[in-house]
Amino acid sequence: KQEVTQIPAALSVPEGENLVLNCSFTDSAIYNLQWFRQDPGKGLTSLLLIQSSQREQTSGRLNASLDKSSGRSTLYIAASQPGDSATYLCAVRPSTSGTYKYIFGTGTRLKVLA
Amino acid sequence: SQTIHQWPATLVQPVGSPLSLECTVEGTSNPNLYWYRQAAGRGLQLLFYSVGIGQISSEVPQNLSASRPQDRQFILSSKKLLLSDSGFYLCAWSVPGEKLFFGSGTQLSVL
Repeated sequence: KQEVTQIPAALSVPEGENLVLNCSFTDSAIYNLQWFRQDPGKGLTSLLLIQSSQREQTSGRLNASLDKSSGRSTLYIAASQPGDSATYLCAVRPSTSGTYKYIFGTGTRLKVLA
Repeated sequence: SQTIHQWPATLVQPVGSPLSLECTVEGTSNPNLYWYRQAAGRGLQLLFYSVGIGQISSEVPQNLSASRPQDRQFILSSKKLLLSDSGFYLCAWSVPGEKLFFGSGTQLSVL
């Protein structure tokens, strides 16, 4: 059974710092991995999608990497800003035939201090 | 462009009352549709997903049910709500190989 873990559960950093969020999954048979951002009381916003054949994806100050063999993904945020404060979640889609579901980690709650 | 509508945003219901949450997607055809629940301080729990009209897969046995009467409409229902049904309900859609997109969510409080 696929399990997704995100450590740490919470993180507080000063503005301007570069930071890395971690996502681990137990089964390397995945179709893709996606990173999301969630603001309090809101839905999830997709940030980056990495297909199983890719090693990384970049969007602005965000860079996500994927190492399937070790069951890890990282989300790198450069020059963090107070507006980056949110909960960040990762989700994997198993590559099991006929499986269309996404399995989520419990998230990392990020606070960027001005 | 594609959009997803989910309503209502907030709902307060007494124990034992029925529930109907609706989600519609615009701008795409034959999407995969999902219902997730997020309890306070916990991760997202997949409740149901659908790959086509009338095709519903249930992930968690409970007093909730889902239906997909039209290609881009997904409904979450209950005949009698329990206190444990309280939570933040999120509808989502995707097409194979692409991103998963979420609605704005419904905060359900069962009292």
